[in-house]
Amino acid sequence: GDSVTQMEGPVTLSEEAFLTINCTYTATGYPSLFWYVQYPGEGLQLLLKATKADDKGSNKGFEATYRKETTSFHLEKGSVQVSDSAVYFCAPSNAGNMLTFGGGTRLMVKP
Amino acid sequence: GAVVSQHPSRVICKSGTSVKIECRSLDFQATTMFWYRQFPKKSLMLMATSNEGSKATYEQGVEKDKFLINHASLTLSTLTVTSAHPEDSSFYICSASTGAPAGNEKLFFGSGTQLSVL
Repeated sequence: GDSVTQMEGPVTLSEEAFLTINCTYTATGYPSLFWYVQYPGEGLQLLLKATKADDKGSNKGFEATYRKETTSFHLEKGSVQVSDSAVYFCAPSNAGNMLTFGGGTRLMVKP
Repeated sequence: GAVVSQHPSRVICKSGTSVKIECRSLDFQATTMFWYRQFPKKSLMLMATSNEGSKATYEQGVEKDKFLINHASLTLSTLTVTSAHPEDSSFYICSASTGAPAGNEKLFFGSGTQLSVL
């Protein structure tokens, strides 16, 4: 079945630092790829998505590029803020729209 | 690691029937469970948040009487889709939060349920 590998956290950064959270996946066919974020005390929210190879999803300064050749969808942000502190989940979605979640990566941004 | 068991993984039912989906945390106590729904080609949508022993908090636009959530214990939450109709066909997924330690709570996901209503 499909699977996702995310870098383990917590990732601790200072404000304005560059962020990368790695995500690689195994899936049949050509899944859509999602990044979800969970802020403390809240449910998941969609952060960004990409539906085909080489697509770049972006939102709130975050970006991720669908790399078919490396089956990766790494999340990046050029300058993190304290408000970005949250748990981030990478998730491919197969043709049947069934999601597979990674273990999540906790990001802690210090002022 | 912690495991969340969700079943059934797939269910096909006739219009007008009710379907119950179970979500169990197998080796930890889940103070909070979340239920999500994913429409085809759309992103995940939070339906409700349930805390053990209290009524679920539903998101705006989600019908409480349609999607009954029961969080009877710290290891079990159920979602019942009542009088299902074809438009309820979707992928439903639960997640369970350890709730502790504060600020380091972890979230684990069930494998999801694909509901098809004929």
